[in-house]
Amino acid sequence: QKEVEQNSGPLSVPEGAIASLNCTYSDRGSQSFFWYRQYSGKSPELIMFIYSNGDKEDGRFTAQLNKASQYVSLLIRDSQPSDSATYLCAVFTGNQFYFGTGTSLTVIP
Amino acid sequence: EAGVAQSPRYKIIEKRQSVAFWCNPISGHATLYWYQQILGQGPKLLIQFQNNGVVDDSQLPKDRFSAERLKGVDSTLKIQPAKLEDSAVYLCASRLAYNEQFFGPGTRLTVL
Repeated sequence: QKEVEQNSGPLSVPEGAIASLNCTYSDRGSQSFFWYRQYSGKSPELIMFIYSNGDKEDGRFTAQLNKASQYVSLLIRDSQPSDSATYLCAVFTGNQFYFGTGTSLTVIP
Repeated sequence: EAGVAQSPRYKIIEKRQSVAFWCNPISGHATLYWYQQILGQGPKLLIQFQNNGVVDDSQLPKDRFSAERLKGVDSTLKIQPAKLEDSAVYLCASRLAYNEQFFGPGTRLTVL
């Protein structure tokens, strides 16, 4: 059973702070890792993906991957109220995507 | 570039009735996925197509769910008969490049 675990939250941060979202996965053969944002009542939208160990930055977002620890995280700098959403971690393994249950983030103005 | 299209957006049916959902992927995307997302959970893969062939349908409840992708373009997902526990959002996604998939707006199904 391939599992993707996320803290369901809710996570609350003040506007302008850094939000840190975490995800662990069970299959060491997992190839790539994705973060999706899902607003209430909407479908998931891709924020960023990462394949290699280390950090990957895109604007206010940074994804971090540690394959040895089977851990991937998403940092959101300068959090804005519009970042309030559920963040889904997805792992690509064996030609299939596996999703976590998501972490609910609220950014407080 | 147009995104993944789905219809209907909402559907309310009574248990034991039948329902069908339609998906049109992004043009040229060979891989198409149907997911079920129950409230408070992440999307769960139901079936994956590569062109018009099934790659993975191991989590599709085949006694009541069926899906097809004729001509390798658009796809339909059918539930017959529906149960209360089928109430969920049904998401279609498509993929062209290595690993990135894009979701449609989803169909919210309520079974009464």
